[in-house]
Amino acid sequence: QSVLTQPPSASGTPGQRVTISCSGSSSNIGSNTVNWYQQLPGTAPKLLIYSNNQRPSGVPDRFSGSKSGTSASLAISGLQSEDEADYYCAAWDDSLNGYYVFGTGTKVTVL
Amino acid sequence: QVQLQQWGAGLLKPSETLSLTCAVYGGSFSGYYWSWIRQPPGKGLEWIGEINHSGSTNYNPSLKSRVTISVDTSKNQFSLKLSSVTAADTAVYYCARGRGVVVTARRGWFDPWGQGTLVTVSS
Repeated sequence: QSVLTQPPSASGTPGQRVTISCSGSSSNIGSNTVNWYQQLPGTAPKLLIYSNNQRPSGVPDRFSGSKSGTSASLAISGLQSEDEADYYCAAWDDSLNGYYVFGTGTKVTVL
Repeated sequence: QVQLQQWGAGLLKPSETLSLTCAVYGGSFSGYYWSWIRQPPGKGLEWIGEINHSGSTNYNPSLKSRVTISVDTSKNQFSLKLSSVTAADTAVYYCARGRGVVVTARRGWFDPWGQGTLVTVSS
């Protein structure tokens, strides 16, 4: 039921910059803030970015988020092996009575 | 530091009712909304619904007819019931802390998350 579209995969070598896109619509990303979650293998998701571009305490500054119109992006600069994980964007959708929606997810592989 | 611990039955038969509970330790319980989110094996995340300490709820429209989320403020716990389950409801179910009660849902996020409970529906 994902209404936010992400590329299924992304990859890079250690030290490279990787960018993940998240495409939505006027009822979700276009109107509301975007959050990003990192899910390491076999674990629960963890908040990575909130309110479009804010990092929770403890999240390295190599992770950054941005939003423009109905799309958002997550950038990982200085890619490290421990960044290999699934990444999901999320936002509130104003349609119907409103509900949270997640992106389709992107698997990041460190080559 | 807030911690969420969840539990419930892991194996159900079709048509049964899924029941999970999440306990919140540390931090404020009454100051937030509390959510349930699920993830089918190998697939993405789906928000199920949320509740606050006064029992105000919001549900995913796709599940609303089968979902009930309740709260027990005396125990700092909230629960999920999903009726008439089918194999399509097989998933890892997570509880999570959501937005503050004075924060609009349009600016909410989920942090932290519980450890997850695998619920399998099979005859």
